[in-house]
Amino acid sequence: RKEVEQDPGPFNVPEGATVAFNCTYSNSASQSFFWYRQDCRKEPKLLMSVYSSGNEDGRFTAQLNRASQYISLLIRDSKLSDSATYLCAVKPGGSYIPTFGRGTSLIVHP
Amino acid sequence: SQTIHQWPATLVQPVGSPLSLECTVEGTSNPNLYWYRQAAGRGLQLLFYSVGIGQISSEVPQNLSASRPQDRQFILSSKKLLLSDSGFYLCAWSERAVMTGELFFGEGSRLTVL
Repeated sequence: RKEVEQDPGPFNVPEGATVAFNCTYSNSASQSFFWYRQDCRKEPKLLMSVYSSGNEDGRFTAQLNRASQYISLLIRDSKLSDSATYLCAVKPGGSYIPTFGRGTSLIVHP
Repeated sequence: SQTIHQWPATLVQPVGSPLSLECTVEGTSNPNLYWYRQAAGRGLQLLFYSVGIGQISSEVPQNLSASRPQDRQFILSSKKLLLSDSGFYLCAWSERAVMTGELFFGEGSRLTVL
């Protein structure tokens, strides 16, 4: 089993739709969790960290489920500009090294 | 605010030629520094990371090497490139004092080896 797994997609959704991605991790010692956004041929950019209690930033909501070892990203009211690849990253406590998933591709169409 | 820059942005190199990619971080001290490679359609592969000047940890055995001659400078090198070295190389930094570990990436260097 891979350390961090994501459905590669693509998720093809219309504008205004709600879409959710999951990311599963295998290391139960994982302590820090992140979502990054990567546009085509660009560098990944931190979208949001994922806290135990869940967190929300505008149309984006991230949640952590430690029991089932996954994190999720929910995007409401999708915009064309949300089209990108979304990478999750997971880091064990005491480590400087996050492990990245391969990413989930999102395409928002008119 | 902190910034990270890497260069060159794009390069096309023949097999067997040397490589040098450079990355600098501004606005922070004593950062952790990382080199990742992202091959086409693949995930991010950690190549090297550094927690201080002259301290380099290699994650993947290969014909690449890294150096950190100054606190905020990280260099990726090769003496002889292979076709399989083609990819998108990303430098990143994180705050040493903050163990949460958010990484911030440079703009990337796209390498094509012919």
